[in-house]
Amino acid sequence: AQTVTQSQPEMSVQEAETVTLSCTYDTSESDYYLFWYKQPPSRQMILVIRQEAYKQQNATENRFSVNFQKAAKSFSLKISDSQLGDAAMYFCAYLNFGNEKLTFGTGTRLTIIP
Amino acid sequence: DAGVIQSPRHEVTEMGQEVTLRCKPISGHNSLFWYRQTMMRGLELLIYFNNNVPIDDSGMPEDRFSAKMPNASFSTLKIQPSEPRDSAVYFCASSLATLSPQHFGDGTRLSIL
Repeated sequence: AQTVTQSQPEMSVQEAETVTLSCTYDTSESDYYLFWYKQPPSRQMILVIRQEAYKQQNATENRFSVNFQKAAKSFSLKISDSQLGDAAMYFCAYLNFGNEKLTFGTGTRLTIIP
Repeated sequence: DAGVIQSPRHEVTEMGQEVTLRCKPISGHNSLFWYRQTMMRGLELLIYFNNNVPIDDSGMPEDRFSAKMPNASFSTLKIQPSEPRDSAVYFCASSLATLSPQHFGDGTRLSIL
């Protein structure tokens, strides 16, 4: 079974600075997707970014980018120019080709310091 | 475009009562998912449907839980009888196709007294 590990329960960053959230996963599969979801206090689950395992290029979405290291099974999220609205729980998630079951990590709570 | 719509947003009921949670997926999406989120267990997939057919219900905790998808635009998750340990936030999500990103509703916060 696949597992997703987020080893940082909490992180904080000064507004306008850069922060990196860590995620590792365990799988024997070669084809899969990885995601970062954001859950603000409003409780919504918002898709931040997606990475296909077969792509070597790291995904980027505006201020959000990932560092995908397939051999190391690592998938970190970098948030540049942090803003107050980035404060939320961030979940790393894994999706295996062949089924649609998302496996989530336990989350990292990100605090933005004004 | 409307996102995934869940109702109610909050539900408080007494132990032993039947609870029905509702979900309307994004129009055109073929897959629908029910998740449960608790502090202890995080986000867990309960069941998912593809083209209205249940594909995997291995995450459903026990027989008190049931889910249906009578048509492409509506699904229910029912708990009967409810117990205090069922208290959680229940999310519904939908996706356009296999391996497409899942879009979540705002969740239903369920409290069983």
